[in-house]
Amino acid sequence: AQSVAQPEDQVNVAEGNPLTVKCTYSVSGNPYLFWYVQYPNRGLQFLLKYITGDNLVKGSYGFEAEFNKSQTSFHLKKPSALVSDSALYFCAVRDGIGNTPLVFGKGTRLSVIA
Amino acid sequence: DGGITQSPKYLFRKEGQNVTLSCEQNLNHDAMYWYRQDPGQGLRLIYYSQIVNDFQKGDIAEGYSVSREKKESFPLTVTSAQKNPTAFYLCASSMRGPVTEAFFGQGTRLTVV
Repeated sequence: AQSVAQPEDQVNVAEGNPLTVKCTYSVSGNPYLFWYVQYPNRGLQFLLKYITGDNLVKGSYGFEAEFNKSQTSFHLKKPSALVSDSALYFCAVRDGIGNTPLVFGKGTRLSVIA
Repeated sequence: DGGITQSPKYLFRKEGQNVTLSCEQNLNHDAMYWYRQDPGQGLRLIYYSQIVNDFQKGDIAEGYSVSREKKESFPLTVTSAQKNPTAFYLCASSMRGPVTEAFFGQGTRLTVV
């Protein structure tokens, strides 16, 4: 069975500082990993994904994520946070076996303080 | 304009009523999904469909029903058997295959009154 853990319910960071939102995963086969962002009362927006290859993946709005197979992690990062980055962030995983739906973590609320 | 449209945005249900949430996509995606979002619980899968006229139960299917008569449409019915239906419901679609991301609608907020 696939699963995702986001160990922090809330992350606070000052504007201009780097941010990290943590994610660890468990899958049977090869992992395909995704990050999404959600603003209040809206659907989820896709940020980036890891399929294979380079462990550092670049995505939308200056976000990037680092895949670490030995630690089964896929942390979301941004070098310099903006107040407008404040939102709810979800990590998701799908294994490479069949056509299974995405499995999501519980989400991490990011608050960027001016 | 391509995308996924959910309607209505807000829905109120009386006790004992069935209600149907609409989800339409014009992305030509084969797969469609329904997730339920509750505060602090993330997204939980209700039902999904990978082709027309076929669908599978997710983790919390009890009290819900779906149909997939057309590729573009995947309506969700919340029945009176769902004891705690108040939640934010999200529909998504994707191309088939493990490497494809899912695209989400804007959600329907259902409240029992």
